[in-house]
Amino acid sequence: VQLVESGGGLVQPGGSLKLSCAASGFTFSDSEIHWVRQASGKGLEWVGHIRSKGNSHATAYAASVKGKFTISRDDSKSTAYLQMTSLQTEDTAVYYCVRLVVPQGAFDIWGQGTMVTVSS
Amino acid sequence: SYVLTQPPSVSVAPGKTATITCEGNNIGSKSVHWYQQKPGQAPVLVIYYDTDRPSGIPERFSGSNSGNTATLTISRVEAGDEGDYFCQVWDSSSDPNWVFGGGTKLTV
Repeated sequence: VQLVESGGGLVQPGGSLKLSCAASGFTFSDSEIHWVRQASGKGLEWVGHIRSKGNSHATAYAASVKGKFTISRDDSKSTAYLQMTSLQTEDTAVYYCVRLVVPQGAFDIWGQGTMVTVSS
Repeated sequence: SYVLTQPPSVSVAPGKTATITCEGNNIGSKSVHWYQQKPGQAPVLVIYYDTDRPSGIPERFSGSNSGNTATLTISRVEAGDEGDYFCQVWDSSSDPNWVFGGGTKLTV
C-alpha cells in the first residue's frame, strides 16, 4: 500500500510544473486523494483534493492556490496529478499526496513527497 | 477558518511521559488525528479519531479529546520518538475543511 510522487524540480517564477502521484496496493478509484505541502522548516498546509468517481471527481482547493493549481486523476492508471501554474517563490515546498477514506477521517497513507523549488 | 494551536516545543527525558496539546474552539466535538514526522521523512499517522492507534503504532502512544483541548500522550518516551507532531481536524464550516496545527517539536 503506497503512494509515490514524482515530477518535482526547479522552476522559474511564473513557470509551471505537473506532479504525479502513483498509487498501489489499494482500490485507487474509491479513494479521495489530497495534496499537502510543507515549506522548509514549516508546518503542513492543505493544498487541495479530488474525490472519487462516485463523487463526480469533485475538486476543492486552498485559497492560496485556487486558480493556479488543478488536481486531476486517471483511475485507469491509479494516478493523481497536481498541475501547478503561475508558480511563485512562496510555492516552494515538499508536496505530498495523501489518501483520505472519509472526509472526517485521517490521512492514512502519505507519499514520500517531491520537492518543488521556485527560483530564478 | 478553524485554528489549531500547538506548543512549538516539548522536551522530555527518556523513559518519562510526553504530553502534546492541540487547542481549538470546542475541539472536543471534532475528530482529531495526530501525525509524527521525523527529519527528512513524510508524516506518519499515529492516532486517529481521538484515541485509535493504527496497526504498528506502539501502545505507548495514546490520545484524548475534550472541551477545547486534544492531547497526545507518549509514555516511556524513547529517543526514536523525537520529531515533529501535528494535530489535524476536519471542520465542515471552515475553509479549508482540513486543518493542521502548527506542529510541536518533541525533543528527547
